[in-house]
Amino acid sequence: KAGVTQTPRYLIKTRGQQVTLSCSPISGHRSVSWYQQTPGQGLQFLFEYFSETQRNKGNFPGRFSGRQFSNSRSEMNVSTLELGDSALYLCASSRTQNTEAFFGQGTRLTVV
Amino acid sequence: GQSLEQPSEVTAVEGAIVQINCTYQTSGFYGLSWYQQHDGGAPTFLSYNALDGLEETGRFSSFLSRSDSYGYLLLQELQMKDSASYFCAVSYNTDKLIFGTGTRLQVFP
Repeated sequence: KAGVTQTPRYLIKTRGQQVTLSCSPISGHRSVSWYQQTPGQGLQFLFEYFSETQRNKGNFPGRFSGRQFSNSRSEMNVSTLELGDSALYLCASSRTQNTEAFFGQGTRLTVV
Repeated sequence: GQSLEQPSEVTAVEGAIVQINCTYQTSGFYGLSWYQQHDGGAPTFLSYNALDGLEETGRFSSFLSRSDSYGYLLLQELQMKDSASYFCAVSYNTDKLIFGTGTRLQVFP
């Protein structure tokens, strides 16, 4: 059974650019959540999707957006990148939100 | 708000027992999970408590007290490979999973 796949693994962008990250959940998992991880800040919740609907959103500016497709794959987009957006972006999938979450290896984004 | 508190760092020696505490805000609380993350790796699930009491899985145990808004992860017979960051996470009835800032455990020989 394939795990959660995130692409790309590493990304370098310059300030002002936009970026799209992709997440393929475990087959059968309909809930996909995104988190930003920075040293000392733990995992900050970005948003959660279930059956193509955003059910929850964290306290991030509108530059951060996402979507989920009918096959449960999800993308997140960050526009007008800032240096502070440099972080590890983790995607997690689960059958429902209140069951075990399985994480991908993350996309490490560096903004220069 | 939906914030969690856990210690930032804990140190212990091999073979010892360590307890990592987590307190949370109760509004909408559904359950408490624990995740382990090694440096450079992805978080992996350890345990889940929805009801009061102790859940034991090998060397690791997790406890929840809903009345105290408190839980802990107990690691016994510590091994060097247990050196990692440990996150408590609260599931809310809005289907949101919120993580604490993590506790870095260092195990020394």
